[in-house]
This record gives sequence, structure tokens and C-alpha cells, in this order.
Amino acid sequence: EVHLLESGGGLIQPGGSLRLSCAASGFTFSTFAMSWVRQAPGKGLEWLSATTGSGGSTYYADAVKGRFTISRDNSKNTLYLQMNNLRVDDTAVYYCGKDHWPVDYWGQGTLVTVSS
Amino acid sequence: QSVLTQPPSASATPGQRVSISCSGSSSNIGSNYVHWYQQFSGTAPKLLIYNTDQRPSGVPDRFSASKSATSASLAISGLRSEDEADYYCAAWDDSVSGPLFGGGTKLTVL
Repeated sequence: EVHLLESGGGLIQPGGSLRLSCAASGFTFSTFAMSWVRQAPGKGLEWLSATTGSGGSTYYADAVKGRFTISRDNSKNTLYLQMNNLRVDDTAVYYCGKDHWPVDYWGQGTLVTVSS
Repeated sequence: QSVLTQPPSASATPGQRVSISCSGSSSNIGSNYVHWYQQFSGTAPKLLIYNTDQRPSGVPDRFSASKSATSASLAISGLRSEDEADYYCAAWDDSVSGPLFGGGTKLTVL
């Protein structure tokens, strides 16, 4: 059974940095692309970033390009999202997802709140 | 404002059939597969329909979907109270070279 568990969320001040992690199990992690999608409170879904199984290629939405960096450690079956220069409008639940498109399995999400 | 446009809400009574629309453009729905996600309050989304009209294993055949030109729709027949959730359409967009989601439709079972 596919299982994705995000961690690393919390309260951070504007301009700060945070690194999210997503621990994966139940599938051969290194053979699948992985993604990050977020959902602002009371709002819809927004795809942010994806990476190939090897991590050799990465893709970003314009909204986070240059501020967020996706990476993975296949030896640890873990996906990361490094978020820098955070803004108030980055406040959201951040989900990791299996595969690039469509995302077929989702973690339970981790809440990131950007506020002073 | 989402590029994929969905009605914000829909409602029907148990046993009825309800349809949720998703309007896009030639760069997304018009040239790529449409996918649908179901999200219950406070939980993660679940892939409900993929590649326009395919159901993942375990999704009842009460759920069906189709597309025509630059619009798509999700239909739920034999509506049940447990179908009450938010439903999102999604498609790859060639203009932005990335996936887009609709704004979501909140389905209420009366």
C-alpha cells in the first residue's frame, strides 16, 4: 500500500525558510516521479513542483520558481521541498504526491503558516 | 482565478444523478487528458478519474466522466450521502507547461 507522510510544516515569519520532507513507502520510490501540491486555507489545489525518479530533472510552477527547490534522496525514500523567502500567500497545506501527472496518491499534508 | 472553470457548488438528493462541469481551453482540456479528484473535508485529495474517463481500482462505476472539445464533466449517478465532498478537475496545460486545477465544486447531498 502506498503511504506518503509529510513533515516539517509550522509557523514561519515572512522572508524565512523551511524544508518539508515526505517519507514514502509501499512502492519502489526511485522509479517514480514525485510532486508537491499545495492548498491555501479554503481554496483550491495548486501544483508547485515535480521531479523525475532519479532527481535529474525538476519542474516548477511560476509562482515558486526561484524560491522553492525540490529534491529527493532515493536511499532514504524521501522527497524534499526547500522553501526560501516565504511570503504570507505561501500559507497552505502542502501535499506530496506520487508521480508527476496525474498525481495518483497523496500524503495527508503538512500546514505551513507564514505570518509575523 | 483558475484557468479551469468549475461551478462553486452543486447539490442533489440521494439517488439522483448530478453532473459537474469543467470548462477550459485548447491548451489544456482541448489537447490533454482530464483528471478528477475527490476531497472530503479535512483530508487529502483522491484520484477519482484519470485520463478523462478511466476509474482507478476501487472507484464505483457510479462515477463517470467525459469531455468534449474544451469542456469536461463528471457525473455521479445513484447519489449517496457519502459522496458529499469537493470535486476538482485538472489537466495539463501546454501554455504553462504544467498541470492546472479547477477551482473545485462543493457537492452537497440534500
